[in-house]
Amino acid sequence: NAGVTQTPKFRVLKTGQSMTLLCAQDMNHEYMYWYRQDPGMGLRLIHYSVGEGTTAKGEVPDGYNVSRLKKQNFLLGLESAAPSQTSVYFCASSVFWYEQYFGPGTRLTVT
Amino acid sequence: GENVEQHPSTLSVQEGDSAVIKCTYSDSASNYFPWYKQELGKRPQLIIDIRSNVGEKKDQRIAVTLNKTAKHFSLHITETQPEDSAVYFCAAAGAGSYQLTFGKGTKLSVIP
Repeated sequence: NAGVTQTPKFRVLKTGQSMTLLCAQDMNHEYMYWYRQDPGMGLRLIHYSVGEGTTAKGEVPDGYNVSRLKKQNFLLGLESAAPSQTSVYFCASSVFWYEQYFGPGTRLTVT
Repeated sequence: GENVEQHPSTLSVQEGDSAVIKCTYSDSASNYFPWYKQELGKRPQLIIDIRSNVGEKKDQRIAVTLNKTAKHFSLHITETQPEDSAVYFCAAAGAGSYQLTFGKGTKLSVIP
């Protein structure tokens, strides 16, 4: 039982490049979330999903897209990376909207 | 939307002393208040949570109190140990919102 996993762990992008972050959970959770964490800013919600095939915007959705084609996976895409998207990205999942369990994080640097 | 303020941003205590971190929230409909601990370079981990129908909850050396009238809740750590050193985040959410709003965090340092 791996819990919540994220791929990749680290990534460096150049401005304008695109990439996809993968979050996977093996706990059969309905709810999944993507957060970004910046120094002194806490955790800010980017997008979330309340079930397979659903997505919704969080607090800071601009510049990101998401998809939940399978219940166990939640993908976060950056179509055209910008230096302001340099951050640590955390995925989380939960049975309901509370008791969220986090993945190990992806450290993304955009130069 | 919900706004969560957390204080202090840094806190240093001597080993064995108590530590208290306070949070206030803005949305009176919020009814779920978790606390997360994040060690350096690690993921946030849920350490305790409280629902709005409860005023206090304890788990060994950790306790959380909630004052719905004043819209604030607090984390209390007693008999602090060096391994308690981490960043602590509070959060709040209301039924139907599906979203947690986090405070900006408190860096706790326990001095041996």
